[in-house]
Amino acid sequence: QKEVEQNSGPLSVPEGAIASLNCTYSDRGSQSFFWYRQYSGKSPELIMSIYSNGDKEDGRFTAQLNKASQYVSLLIRDSQPSDSATYLCAVNSNTGGFKTIFGAGTRLFVKA
Amino acid sequence: GAGVSQSPSNKVTEKGKDVELRCDPISGHTALYWYRQSLGQGLEFLIYFQGNSAPDKSGLPSDRFSAERTGGSVSTLTIQRTQQEDSAVYLCASSFSGSDQPQHFGDGTRLSIL
Repeated sequence: QKEVEQNSGPLSVPEGAIASLNCTYSDRGSQSFFWYRQYSGKSPELIMSIYSNGDKEDGRFTAQLNKASQYVSLLIRDSQPSDSATYLCAVNSNTGGFKTIFGAGTRLFVKA
Repeated sequence: GAGVSQSPSNKVTEKGKDVELRCDPISGHTALYWYRQSLGQGLEFLIYFQGNSAPDKSGLPSDRFSAERTGGSVSTLTIQRTQQEDSAVYLCASSFSGSDQPQHFGDGTRLSIL
């Protein structure tokens, strides 16, 4: 079992729809969770951090965390073609050292 | 600028040569990370520094790879006797403290081995 799992996609949604990106993780002791966006040929950029169970909203983005289910998600409302990118989920892990584990990413394609 | 700075942005070299990649983290960030990303692939963790020490070197793929960080700031990643499979984008990131903080990435060094 991978430490951080994401559906590789591509996830295709029409412009204006809600895009839902999901991530599961294996380390129950994880406390910090991050979503990054990576455009093709560019480096990852931080979208959101979340540390507590529940929802955290920032503009069109909402991160949702459920530590009991070891699940974190990112919702993008009113999706735009400019949101087309790969979204990386990252989780801190205390197992075998204190480090951040990145998922392989989900490719999102927003159709105009 | 205020972001993570990496140099060179592109490096083309012949197989067997040594290369040195540089990363200048955000001022005040104690944690520094190196990753490798091959075309169309995810991030491959290489090494993590906290200050000048490297508590996690588990991702270095072979003894041809080494990294150091001096003065708790600039880091260099050295690849000796480069091979074609070393061709990738090498990304550096820094965070304020440890892995409980978000990482901020540089633009990367695109390394091509001929």
